[in-house]
Amino acid sequence: NAGVTQTPKFQVLKTGQSMTLQCAQDMNHEYMSWYRQDPGMGLRLIHYSVGAGITDQGEVPNGYNVSRSTTEDFPLRLLSAAPSQTSVYFCASTPLAGGRPGSNEKLFFGSGTQLSVL
Amino acid sequence: DAKTTQPPSMDCAEGRAANLPCNHSTISGNEYVYWYRQIHSQGPQYIIHGLKNNETNEMASLIITEDRKSSTLILPHATLRDTAVYYCIVRVRVDYKLSFGAGTTVTVRA
Repeated sequence: NAGVTQTPKFQVLKTGQSMTLQCAQDMNHEYMSWYRQDPGMGLRLIHYSVGAGITDQGEVPNGYNVSRSTTEDFPLRLLSAAPSQTSVYFCASTPLAGGRPGSNEKLFFGSGTQLSVL
Repeated sequence: DAKTTQPPSMDCAEGRAANLPCNHSTISGNEYVYWYRQIHSQGPQYIIHGLKNNETNEMASLIITEDRKSSTLILPHATLRDTAVYYCIVRVRVDYKLSFGAGTTVTVRA
């Protein structure tokens, strides 16, 4: 069982470049989310989605776009990378029951993408 | 969501119980207490959660005080592989926005 798969594992960008971080899950989870983790800090929510076609902003959404065209995939786009976006990015998913968080509320995390913007 | 306060770090001897405290004095009646841990640079891993009763699973026990203003995560027999950052989070169960604070860095020593 692959779980939550993130690609790439490492990426170096120049300021102003664009790129997409990929996240895929094979557990048919409705809820997916993106976090960033800066050195010595906890995880901050960027964007999340509760199903295909539905996305919403988290705590730190500026500079990032997301879309959810399928249940499996939730890509994170950086349109114009900035050094402040240097961070480790984690994708997570969990199933929902009837459109609301149900009894299974464990977030399943990917292994992360380490992004450096020069 | 209610704010949580955790000690920044703690040490534990291998084979002994590790008791990780968390204060959440502003917790409301419909907020649950969740614990996750992050080993090295991996993605966080769910440990346990509870509302007001004590909970136990194969990984740990969660003790919540009667007034729910604090809780303790207990790792009954800590091993070197339990060295990680442990996050205590309180949130409303239907809240989709879940963020993690700085947590407690637990170092298990041989």
